[in-house]
Order: sequence, then structure tokens, then C-alpha cells
Amino acid sequence: GAGVSQSPSNKVTEKGKDVELRCDPISGHTALYWYRQRLGQGLEFLIYFQGNSAPDKSGLPSDRFSAERTGESVSTLTIQRTQQEDSAVYLCASSLTSGINGELFFGEGSRLTVL
Amino acid sequence: DQQVKQNSPSLSVQEGRISILNCDYTNSMFDYFLWYKKYPAEGPTFLISISSIKDKNEDGRFTVFLNKSAKHLSLHIVPSQPGDSAVYFCAASGDTNAGKSTFGDGTTLTVKP
Repeated sequence: GAGVSQSPSNKVTEKGKDVELRCDPISGHTALYWYRQRLGQGLEFLIYFQGNSAPDKSGLPSDRFSAERTGESVSTLTIQRTQQEDSAVYLCASSLTSGINGELFFGEGSRLTVL
Repeated sequence: DQQVKQNSPSLSVQEGRISILNCDYTNSMFDYFLWYKKYPAEGPTFLISISSIKDKNEDGRFTVFLNKSAKHLSLHIVPSQPGDSAVYFCAASGDTNAGKSTFGDGTTLTVKP
């Protein structure tokens, strides 16, 4: 498809397990973002990738969270030793540019439930 | 402290009438504001934006108003249509990167036929 693709769409895991979420951005989009959306709340910025530059990790809530991106393609968000408060929808977005006018295109999100 | 607030969790309007969604912010460094619309089980989609050098931006049925002195912005939808029923997020950025915006909690708009 032509849009941002995320997998899995739903993930249920047990507390303490590691999870990996995947994002396929729109082809040619150099900027990629991860967000967390807790129930009834807005999006929280987590991390941002721009081309081959070092990622902006300023939004990551703890060292249990990490993300990687290979060039300008797929990105994975990894949460280690999951906690119940990690339960949320994790959204990925990509953009052609990272400027103020860079329109974001979002995926449908990965819903994570930690039991 | 929440820097972007949407104080109305929900709003219900009749088809054809005006919908007004409000957003307040506290950080005076914010200079670019965006509205996103989100349908259930879908990612948000960009709707309209406004720079702090303007007080109004219009795009079809959607108009965003910015009152910098009051740190308040609003989204007007006229006329409202049932397909506008969605969650609307206000976002603000003080960065040159719109992707690092701070989001409000959203307002669920229901437009009744």
C-alpha cells in the first residue's frame, strides 16, 4: 500500500516481556516519528529519525524504550521488560520533510496491552 | 503540567450547524499550531494549521482562529456534516519540526443527521 504500515495491529503481552513494534513508512519519506497515545489522552512524542542523522530520542520515557531505523526505511520500536503503564496505542508517522510544514502521515497504530 | 489543553472531551452538534472546537496553550514559545482529525482504528490525519504570525486560516469548511494574547485557538467547521464525526486533536509546536508538537487530549465531535 501507499500509506504508513504498522504491525502488529494488536499485541497482548505479559508484564516483564519484551515487545517489538514495526513501522513501514511511505517510500521516500525521510522523517519518521514514533508516538504513544494512552487511553483518552493525546499523542506523546517518543523519538524522531531524519535520514541518516542521529535520532532525536528526547521523548523516550525510560531506557526500556529504544528504536532503530535502517536508512530511510523500516523502523522498529522495542520496549523491554514491559510494564502495565506501557499499555497504549503506539503510532508511527512519516513525513517528506521535517520542517514546520512537513505534513505527517500516520499509520493505524499498534495497540499494546500489558497484562 | 499539560501545555496544550482541550477542555471539552466531547461536542455534539446538528448537521448543518457550526462546530467550534477549542484549545488553550500555556507555553508562549509555541508559534505553530495544527489540528488533526482521527477516526476510530485509524491514524490521525492533518487537517489545518496556523502560524503565530496569522490570526486566521481558512480551508474550505474549516477555519482556525488564533488569539495569541489569550493563548487560545479554535477550529470552526461550517457547515458540519455527519462525516466530520471524529476525534479532533489540537497540537502546538515551538520547534521547526512539526512532528515534535505537543498534543492536547482531543475532543470527540459527533454530528447528528
